[in-house]
Amino acid sequence: DAEITQSPRHKITETGRQVTLACHQTWNHNNMFWYRQDLGHGLRLIHYSYGVHDTNKGEVSDGYSVSRSNTEDLPLTLESAASSQTSVYFCASSENNEKLFFGSGTQLSVL
Amino acid sequence: SQKIEQNSEALNIQEGKTATLTCNYTNYSPAYLQWYRQDPGRGPVFLLLIRENEKEKRKERLKVTFDTTLKQSLFHITASQPADSATYLCALDTTGGGNKLTFGTGTQLKVEL
Repeated sequence: DAEITQSPRHKITETGRQVTLACHQTWNHNNMFWYRQDLGHGLRLIHYSYGVHDTNKGEVSDGYSVSRSNTEDLPLTLESAASSQTSVYFCASSENNEKLFFGSGTQLSVL
Repeated sequence: SQKIEQNSEALNIQEGKTATLTCNYTNYSPAYLQWYRQDPGRGPVFLLLIRENEKEKRKERLKVTFDTTLKQSLFHITASQPADSATYLCALDTTGGGNKLTFGTGTQLKVEL
């Protein structure tokens, strides 16, 4: 069965370190998204991609970057982790944005 | 500013009753609206999509209505069961072209025996 997987499930890092969260989907979807979820804010869009070599900023993109070198993967990089980036991160993919498939999330703690 | 509002207070209902959750929005003209279910420690799971020209959509025990004049969607679960306990999120296409979804903060539903 096709799926979308995120790794790691949990990550603890220190302020200032670079961190990369992985997202891999086997749906062969062109569209992929990264969201963060915080209490009181719901899911907020960080970056998204509509295909290989395409990346776009979402509403909370500062301090984050993504790259899309193939259809299956959209890694999310925190250039210099900050405590404000402690959150749960969800990756999603979609064929046409009318139905998103989400991964199980990565709980990131920045100390 | 643009807003999507869902009841932040948890909704507690008795098994067998109908649960009704609300999603209100301002300053959008969405082409469609979606509802997702999220369980603790898991990612959201798609439930239903309703388009701007549809008033109502049903899927098994679920029913969604969409009133573009009131800028509101109602999500109903009939004959609710404890297994329906979860957080329910609404999401709107906020670009008018189906390019991006914006999510509400979700409403937690608890179905009690």
